[in-house]
Amino acid sequence: GDSVTQMEGPVTLSEEAFLTINCTYTATGYPSLFWYVQYPGEGLQLLLKATKADDKGSNKGFEATYRKETTSFHLEKGSVQVSDSAVYFCALPNSGGSNYKLTFGKGTLLTVNP
Amino acid sequence: NAGVTQTPKFRILKIGQSMTLQCTQDMNHNYMYWYRQDPGMGLKLIYYSVGAGITDKGEVPNGYNVSRSTTEDFPLRLELAAPSQTSVYFCASSYSAGHQHFGDGTRLSIL
Repeated sequence: GDSVTQMEGPVTLSEEAFLTINCTYTATGYPSLFWYVQYPGEGLQLLLKATKADDKGSNKGFEATYRKETTSFHLEKGSVQVSDSAVYFCALPNSGGSNYKLTFGKGTLLTVNP
Repeated sequence: NAGVTQTPKFRILKIGQSMTLQCTQDMNHNYMYWYRQDPGMGLKLIYYSVGAGITDKGEVPNGYNVSRSTTEDFPLRLELAAPSQTSVYFCASSYSAGHQHFGDGTRLSIL
């Protein structure tokens, strides 16, 4: 079945460090891929998405490229800020007729220190 | 535009009590979902709905019930609360595949 494997956390970085959070997936075909972010005390919100192979999603300085060869969608940011401290979830829609449901990774907690 | 609104934000229940977690959305989305998030864990789907009058079970439906009488509202009912139901509950809605809009959650403790 469809699955998402996400880098285990927690990840602790200093401000202005480079961030990579790995995400690989198993799915039928070439589904859209998503990164969601959850700030402390809040619900999840969509951070970025890519709808086809080789697409790059970007938002708030974060980027992720859809790599079908390696079935990966790694999240990157060149210079993190304290305000980026949050939990990050990789997600993909279920295959077949229930693609409105999402399969989420387990989440990666990022803490950025000043 | 309020998005997805959940009430209450916090609640403490005693074992065996029941309660309803409210969720309403103002985006006219057909799809709605209830998740639970245990400490340090990811999301687990409890129930979902593809439109008014239609609901279905997710991964962890035991101990919960839902109804969807209108497009806007999707309440989650806990009957006979148990300590294992202590969690943060999130309601979400979507128009299409992938982009789900989440509420801010209800933090529920059962003692």
